[in-house]
Amino acid sequence: AQRVTQPEKLLSVFKGAPVELKCNYSYSGSPELFWYVQYSRQRLQLLLRHISRESIKGFTADLNKGETSFHLKKPFAQEEDSAMYYCALSAGGYNKLIFGAGTRLAVHP
Amino acid sequence: NAGVMQNPRHLVRRRGQEARLRCSPMKGHSHVYWYRQLPEEGLKFMVYLQKENIIDESGMPKERFSAEFPKEGPSILRIQQVVRGDSAAYFCASSPSRSGDTQYFGPGTRLTVL
Repeated sequence: AQRVTQPEKLLSVFKGAPVELKCNYSYSGSPELFWYVQYSRQRLQLLLRHISRESIKGFTADLNKGETSFHLKKPFAQEEDSAMYYCALSAGGYNKLIFGAGTRLAVHP
Repeated sequence: NAGVMQNPRHLVRRRGQEARLRCSPMKGHSHVYWYRQLPEEGLKFMVYLQKENIIDESGMPKERFSAEFPKEGPSILRIQQVVRGDSAAYFCASSPSRSGDTQYFGPGTRLTVL
């Protein structure tokens, strides 16, 4: 079965601390994985996708097929990073997205 | 480009009424996806449409729910005879082509069934 698991509902850190938002997936094929972010009162937007292998706003994520994980990391959290983060898996060959339940990141001053 | 538009943003219905949710994709996008988000849960895929065609409705309940994306005008998600369990946020996303493209999301419609 295709599934995305984000084990933490809430991650609370202080400004400047490292951040790791966990994401594990279950998919029999070759996965395409994404991180979406939703800031307060804004719409859901793409943060990054694994095939791009880029860093956006200081965030990176590496696909680990052995551990079936796609954790999102940032070395130094900023207050403006506070938001809801969703990990998603593309399945079915046409971008049908399967989302995790989301992790709320709260960065305190 | 105004982005994906959804209306209404908030919709209140009594049990048994019909709910009609609209989604206008980004200009140049011919692929539309509908997702539902129940409280404390992630977004769940409902249906994928291209102009005048339903491609995948595997996530949509078999009864009371229907979707369309006509040649002209917005995509419509229709829920007949709403029940309290239909209360949720409904998100629409669009992309320019079938695969490999980013989905752009609308702001969502929050449906409340009294």
